[in-house]
Amino acid sequence: SQQGEEDPQALSIQEGENATMNCSYKTSINNLQWYRQNSGRGLVHLILIRSNEREKHSGRLRVTLDTSKKSSSLLITASRAADTASYFCATVLGNNRLAFGKGNQVVVIP
Amino acid sequence: NAGVTQTPKFQVLKTGQSMTLQCAQDMNHNSMYWYRQDPGMGLRLIYYSASEGTTDKGEVPNGYNVSRLNKREFSLRLESAAPSQTSVYFCASSPRTVNDQPQHFGDGTRLSIL
Repeated sequence: SQQGEEDPQALSIQEGENATMNCSYKTSINNLQWYRQNSGRGLVHLILIRSNEREKHSGRLRVTLDTSKKSSSLLITASRAADTASYFCATVLGNNRLAFGKGNQVVVIP
Repeated sequence: NAGVTQTPKFQVLKTGQSMTLQCAQDMNHNSMYWYRQDPGMGLRLIYYSASEGTTDKGEVPNGYNVSRLNKREFSLRLESAAPSQTSVYFCASSPRTVNDQPQHFGDGTRLSIL
């Protein structure tokens, strides 16, 4: 079963706008990871946020984590056409295996 | 630096045929994984290998077998392919199987079973 669930499932924005997507999960976590997948390619790790962290930045990416609501958000600021991709959140199951959400497709229109 | 390499990139099989998907990583990682990705389903773990010499079932292991040939290579075998196994298969690796390790993915094998 999928631990993470992204929302919204699909997002279309203009270049330069910000894109926000959310992920909810069901059980307690030690950390949550976000991955990007470009069309026809494998997943690429973007950022990991630990359960004792509330916010983390990496370049134009900002991730927040609310463990009380069991949710995380990924914000991409000043989006570019190259940000067009699917974005997945992933949490760790009890035996240290990753459980991925179903993905959130982002289309950035030039 | 190749990272995770999967072969072949595309394959079409007939129902009942067998096939082995190959995966190799050059990052000296201990742990390796096989996932399948289907539309609307996200990624589901088929099998994983925490370290050389060990393999364990994931979420959807039925119809598959794996071999951790050495530290670098982890293969996935379909003994008798079925149309339900039509999917995109991804291999991944991580330094070790602990919960703070990002996984590194190959670019996938697109498999169609007719």
